[in-house]
Amino acid sequence: AQSVAQPEDQVNVAEGNPLTVKCTYSVSGNPYLFWYVQYPNRGLQFLLKYITGDNLVKGSYGFEAEFNKSQTSFHLKKPSALVSDSALYFCAVRHSSSNTGKLIFGQGTTLQVKP
Amino acid sequence: ETGVTQTPRHLVMGMTNKKSLKCEQHLGHNAMYWYKQSAKKPLELMFVYNFKEQTENNSVPSRFSPECPNSSHLFLHLHTLQPEDSALYLCASSLPQGSGANVLTFGAGSRLTVL
Repeated sequence: AQSVAQPEDQVNVAEGNPLTVKCTYSVSGNPYLFWYVQYPNRGLQFLLKYITGDNLVKGSYGFEAEFNKSQTSFHLKKPSALVSDSALYFCAVRHSSSNTGKLIFGQGTTLQVKP
Repeated sequence: ETGVTQTPRHLVMGMTNKKSLKCEQHLGHNAMYWYKQSAKKPLELMFVYNFKEQTENNSVPSRFSPECPNSSHLFLHLHTLQPEDSALYLCASSLPQGSGANVLTFGAGSRLTVL
């Protein structure tokens, strides 16, 4: 069965410092991997996805994520955090051969960026 | 504004009431989804519709009844709910199922409180 784990409920980082939000996944075969962000009182917004090719994926707002097949990880990173990055971040996985569109989400990680 | 509009944004209902949540998208998508978001838990996929046909019912109790009259509109009819059904209900849409790389576009959600 497919699953996604986000091991940290909350990540705290100072503004200007690099940030990492961790995600590991379990899926048989090749995965499609996604990151979404949710700001307060809003729905989820797409940040980036990995389908195939270069393991380093660049997305919106300066975020990037690195696909590591051997470690089954897809950690979200940003070189320099902003206070406005504070939000709830979700990692999600879908099996590449899935034709039902069923996307499995992690439980979310709250990112708190302090000035 | 994401192009996916959910109404009402907030709903308080008693356990014996009947109410409905509405979702509308103007993105030309043909797949629509209902997700349930509870605090500290992964998003739970409830229902998926592809070209108005239901393709996924994730063992959702019958007190939740979806309706998809066309590819632009999705409803969630609620009756005799339980307090544990209180949550944020998110609607999403995407290009037709069949491509695992499809990105979901979410609405802002309907916050439901069951008394």
